[in-house]
Amino acid sequence: SQKIEQNSEALNIQEGKTATLTCNYTNYSPAYLQWYRQDPGRGPVFLLLIRENEKEKRKERLKVTFDTTLKQSLFHITASQPADSATYLCALANNAGKSTFGDGTTLTVKP
Amino acid sequence: DTEVTQTPKHLVMGMTNKKSLKCEQHMGHRAMYWYKQKAKKPPELMFVYSYEKLSINESVPSRFSPECPNSSLLNLHLHALQPEDSALYLCASSQRPGQGVAGQWNEQFFGPGTRLTVL
Repeated sequence: SQKIEQNSEALNIQEGKTATLTCNYTNYSPAYLQWYRQDPGRGPVFLLLIRENEKEKRKERLKVTFDTTLKQSLFHITASQPADSATYLCALANNAGKSTFGDGTTLTVKP
Repeated sequence: DTEVTQTPKHLVMGMTNKKSLKCEQHMGHRAMYWYKQKAKKPPELMFVYSYEKLSINESVPSRFSPECPNSSLLNLHLHALQPEDSALYLCASSQRPGQGVAGQWNEQFFGPGTRLTVL
């Protein structure tokens, strides 16, 4: 069965450092992969999308990589800030528009 | 307007009640979604509407009945729910459904959700 694993439930880092979150998957051939941010009690907010034939995408302080051979995506936040503290979800999607989310990693950036 | 709105924000209902959740977007999106999210768990896809037609039903029990009256509105009708159905119900929309084209069209905009409690 399909499985999506995000590296850890919680990640604590110091302000200014780079946060790296991992998303691994098995038994799935996604058309694309997305990263979302979710704050407590709120809906997820889209951050980045990367297609199966793309290796890397960047947006401001965010970078995502996608390795379909390793079946892994890495999500980086550079120069992290306390305001980046949230739960980050990866989601794999097929061409029919069906998205499956990982359990998420809760990032805490300490000042 | 880049917002997805959901009403009500909170809903408490008994197991014999009938209620409806509403979702609205005015971004011209042609794909709309219902997700269920339990505490400390990821959103789980329930239904996908593509061009106002139901395209995906993730084997959701019939006590949940979706409806898409037009391209801007999405409803979820609830009847005879169980306490384990208590959760945050999220609506989302995207420009287009998957259809083999990835990119900006597939970015999902989520609403704030309806917190449902079934007594």
